[in-house]
Amino acid sequence: QVQLVQSGTEVKKPGASMKVSCKAVGYNFFTFGISWVRQAPGQGLEWMGWISTHNGNTKYALKFQGRVTMTTDTSTSTAYMELRSLRSDDTAVYYCGRDQDGLWFGVSYYMDVWGKGTPVTVSS
Amino acid sequence: QSLLTQPPSVSGAPGQRITISCTGSSSNIGADYDVHWYQHLPGTAPKLLIYVHNNRPSGVPDRFSGSKSGTSASLAITGLQPEDEADYYCQSYDSSLSGWVFGGGTKLTVL
Repeated sequence: QVQLVQSGTEVKKPGASMKVSCKAVGYNFFTFGISWVRQAPGQGLEWMGWISTHNGNTKYALKFQGRVTMTTDTSTSTAYMELRSLRSDDTAVYYCGRDQDGLWFGVSYYMDVWGKGTPVTVSS
Repeated sequence: QSLLTQPPSVSGAPGQRITISCTGSSSNIGADYDVHWYQHLPGTAPKLLIYVHNNRPSGVPDRFSGSKSGTSASLAITGLQPEDEADYYCQSYDSSLSGWVFGGGTKLTVL
């Protein structure tokens, strides 16, 4: 069964870092890219960025550049998203999703399989 | 505030038809970038509903359809059912941000 399995709930202090994992199961990891999307409480979906599962190339949303790093571990078919210098407004559910191309970022692409989300709370 | 504007809420009775608009600009939908739609139930993973304007993934009923014209796109749902009650989001690409953008989301209530 094709699925993306995400890591569990996290609680962080302001200023700390978080790292969420997303393991691909049931398909060839290299065929599809991985995007990260978050949803803050009461808010809509927000795209954070994309990573090529082929070569690790990344494309980050302007808002998160300098604070986010996306990586992959091809030996375990797992993608990671690290967010640094956490603030209270980073409290959200973080989702990973796969798109149509593991090599190139596509302006016309979409996410056809999503993880179940990782809740992250940032609080002192 | 999202570059793609959706109504915060829409409602309809079972069996009725509703539409959800997604209004953009010349840097996204108006630039002929594709539009996709997702259905999201709180506490679950978002689900792809419509891709590239009006294509349905396997398993999505033909009660759901999409359209695009100018700087806007729309999602239509016919024969409303109670299980359609969810949040709906449009997604496209924006050249000014050089990235994907989502609409603010629309909460559908089935009366």
